[in-house]
Amino acid sequence: EDQVTQSPEALRLQEGESSSLNCSYTVSGLRGLFWYRQDPGKGPEFLFTLYSAGEEKEKERLKATLTKKESFLHITAPKPEDSATYLCAVRIFQGAQKLVFGQGTRLTINP
Amino acid sequence: DTEVTQTPKHLVMGMTNKKSLKCEQHMGHRAMYWYKQKAKKPPELMFVYSYEKLSINESVPSRFSPECPNSSLLNLHLHALQPEDSALYLCASSPGLAGGLAKNIQYFGAGTRLSVL
Repeated sequence: EDQVTQSPEALRLQEGESSSLNCSYTVSGLRGLFWYRQDPGKGPEFLFTLYSAGEEKEKERLKATLTKKESFLHITAPKPEDSATYLCAVRIFQGAQKLVFGQGTRLTINP
Repeated sequence: DTEVTQTPKHLVMGMTNKKSLKCEQHMGHRAMYWYKQKAKKPPELMFVYSYEKLSINESVPSRFSPECPNSSLLNLHLHALQPEDSALYLCASSPGLAGGLAKNIQYFGAGTRLSVL
């Protein structure tokens, strides 16, 4: 069964304290891994897509990496505005577009 | 511009009402999606339309009826809902279904917060 697991479930950091979020997956045929950010009561906002093991993408204080079994979202020197739920999703081959989402990591950055 | 517009933002309905949710995108995307999201849970896929044809129905109860009148519009018709259907309903679109990279990125709207009384 295709499965995506994110850890930790919740993370509280001080402003400037760097850390990493984990997304591990077991899928039959990976066709891409996606990171989204979601603020309360809003739709997910696309951050990154990764396709190949070893691939890395960066945007401001965020950096996403991918291995054959997991992805990390590294947050460097976070600010309070980085507080959100971060969702990982994998695209599986099904003849059509389907994303399997992890449960998300709720990140809180305290000033 | 990666904007997906959903209306209304909030909706309260009784169990005997009929209402519709609307989603619109003008990015030329050919795949559109409906998701349901409960509090502190990830989005759950409901329907996928590809080139205005229904391609995925995730065994959604018939009280939810999707419609894709054209390539820019997606509707979700609601009838005889239950209180447990209260949730955030998200619409998304992507450039296509096949191919790699940017064609597979789904862009989400802000959602419709639905309350069923």
